[in-house]
Amino acid sequence: AQSVTQLGSHVSVSEGALVLLRCNYSSSVPPYLFWYVQYPNQGLQLLLKYTTGATLVKGINGFEAEFKKSETSFHLTKPSAHMSDAAEYFCAVSYTGRRALTFGSGTRLQVQP
Amino acid sequence: DAGITQSPRHKVTETGTPVTLRCHQTENHRYMYWYRQDPGHGLRLIHYSYGVKDTDKGEVSDGYSVSRSKTEDFLLTLESATSSQTSVYFCAISESQGDTEAFFGQGTRLTVV
Repeated sequence: AQSVTQLGSHVSVSEGALVLLRCNYSSSVPPYLFWYVQYPNQGLQLLLKYTTGATLVKGINGFEAEFKKSETSFHLTKPSAHMSDAAEYFCAVSYTGRRALTFGSGTRLQVQP
Repeated sequence: DAGITQSPRHKVTETGTPVTLRCHQTENHRYMYWYRQDPGHGLRLIHYSYGVKDTDKGEVSDGYSVSRSKTEDFLLTLESATSSQTSVYFCAISESQGDTEAFFGQGTRLTVV
């Protein structure tokens, strides 16, 4: 069964510090990988996705993620955290022929002033 | 923002009563989904639809039914609400499957007392 693991349900960083949110997937077939962000009392918004091609993917708000097949990972990074980045982040996976996304349990990012 | 409207946005209901949540889209997307969001579980798929009158179960479908009589509307029904169904429910849509992202509604917060 395909699954997604997000290490760390809560991550706290200082404003200006590096943001690193971890995501690992388990799959025997090539995955499509997504990161979503959820601000309080809102729906989910797509940050970025990897389908094929370049393994370093750039998204909105200065975020990027790198697909590493050998490590089955798709970690999300941002060089410098901003207060407005405080939100919950979800990693999700899909595959050819699969009709719905499978989500990880989420990581809540807190940004300290 | 994708044209997705969920109604109601908030509802409190009593145990044992039936409840219907509505998702309406203006994007003419083929695929529609219902997810529930609970702390520590991320988003879990309840049911999805791949066309008018074409639906299938997700990983947490017990106690829920769905209907899609028109492309734009996807209804989720709790046949007899239980306290374990207290959750935030999200509708999502996508043009196709696999490598295509899903767009999410604002959510419905349901409390079963």
